[in-house]
Amino acid sequence: QQQVKQSPQSLIVQKGGIPIINCAYENTAFDYFPWYQQFPGKGPALLIAIRPDVSEKKEGRFTISFNKSAKQFSLHIMDSQPGDSATYFCAASRAGTASKLTFGTGTRLQVTL
Amino acid sequence: GAGVSQSPSNKVTEKGKDVELRCDPISGHTALYWYRQSLGQGLEFLIYFQGNSAPDKSGLPSDRFSAERTGGSVSTLTIQRTQQEDSAVYLCASSLNGVRETQYFGPGTRLLVL
Repeated sequence: QQQVKQSPQSLIVQKGGIPIINCAYENTAFDYFPWYQQFPGKGPALLIAIRPDVSEKKEGRFTISFNKSAKQFSLHIMDSQPGDSATYFCAASRAGTASKLTFGTGTRLQVTL
Repeated sequence: GAGVSQSPSNKVTEKGKDVELRCDPISGHTALYWYRQSLGQGLEFLIYFQGNSAPDKSGLPSDRFSAERTGGSVSTLTIQRTQQEDSAVYLCASSLNGVRETQYFGPGTRLLVL
């Protein structure tokens, strides 16, 4: 059972564009939603995270939008750069599970010149 | 200091052999996680250690998989009688205390079972 569904699988945008990656979850007990960025040959690194008591969080060029009623959240990358080319994973965890993360299947982003 | 380190970085083994994968967490981090990343898939939780508490083994896919953490620091993931479907990247992560803390991942061990 896939508890976090992520789309699209891959995405190509031009430099300066705004890629949007979407995730949907099923378990209403989830209360922590991080996004991880992974470069080839490296482990994932935390990019930004949100809790369901807010609808939006910005950190630099990265924004998470959260819709609790729809059980959806998304990552927006403003003014994307070739250095943003990586695989992005959404994840979720719930209280009482020691932050055990359930991950989406990942989105491979390519930012072209 | 240094981040999470894992060894070996790559491991090729024959079906049926046992393998051991090592993780050195960030110094001072009490929580340690193992995840598995199969080709084109997301990360799958395997096992979690927190201090001296009993580990959460709920993600281990079979009894061929086991892990231990010695002295609250280094952890070893052991896969017995490896199968081809065990081929994946095994990632280790650590966090300060395991409760709503950022998980820092190592570079992973790429396991190929022939």
